[in-house]
Amino acid sequence: GENVEQHPSTLSVQEGDSAVIKCTYSDSASNYFPWYKQELGKRPQLIIDIRSNVGEKKDQRIAVTLNKTAKHFSLHITETQPEDSAVYFCAASGGVSNAGKSTFGDGTTLTVKP
Amino acid sequence: DTEVTQTPKHLVMGMTNKKSLKCEQHMGHRAMYWYKQKAKKPPELMFVYSYEKLSINESVPSRFSPECPNSSLLNLHLHALQPEDSALYLCASSQRGTSGVLADTQYFGPGTRLTVL
Repeated sequence: GENVEQHPSTLSVQEGDSAVIKCTYSDSASNYFPWYKQELGKRPQLIIDIRSNVGEKKDQRIAVTLNKTAKHFSLHITETQPEDSAVYFCAASGGVSNAGKSTFGDGTTLTVKP
Repeated sequence: DTEVTQTPKHLVMGMTNKKSLKCEQHMGHRAMYWYKQKAKKPPELMFVYSYEKLSINESVPSRFSPECPNSSLLNLHLHALQPEDSALYLCASSQRGTSGVLADTQYFGPGTRLTVL
């Protein structure tokens, strides 16, 4: 089955700095890569996603890049703000053998210091 | 309605109790999911229903019993749980069924915080 590794497990940045979180996946058939933000006690919330036919996607301060050859994808947050502090999960899904399943990374706890 | 709702928000139960968790969506989504999430860990898939039929059971103990009465509702029946079953139980839904090769965005409900005493 699919295996997703996420790094770093914790990340602390100053307000205004950029933050980058990286994930690698193992199954080349995976075709959908969402990123979720989860604040304490709340649901995982989709913040951005990318499909395997696209190399980069941007939404205001958030961007995701995908390198299919290397099987890795990254989340980039620019001009970080204290409200960006949360746990971020990447996931990989798609392909016949993983139909209906999303494999999550272990999460990154992002702390943005004011 | 663009939301997945779950009830109750919190549940405390003893090991001999029987209780049920409920999940509802009115987005016309054809796949619904149950996840279990422990603190500081990613969600773990438990069950998937596609077009109201159970399509994935991730070897979950029989003390958890899912039910999909119709395309909008998903229940999780709990019986004889253990303290280690205490967790956040998340429901999610996605637009298409799960038989295709292309994966779909999953939308999560707010979860039920379950405590087993």
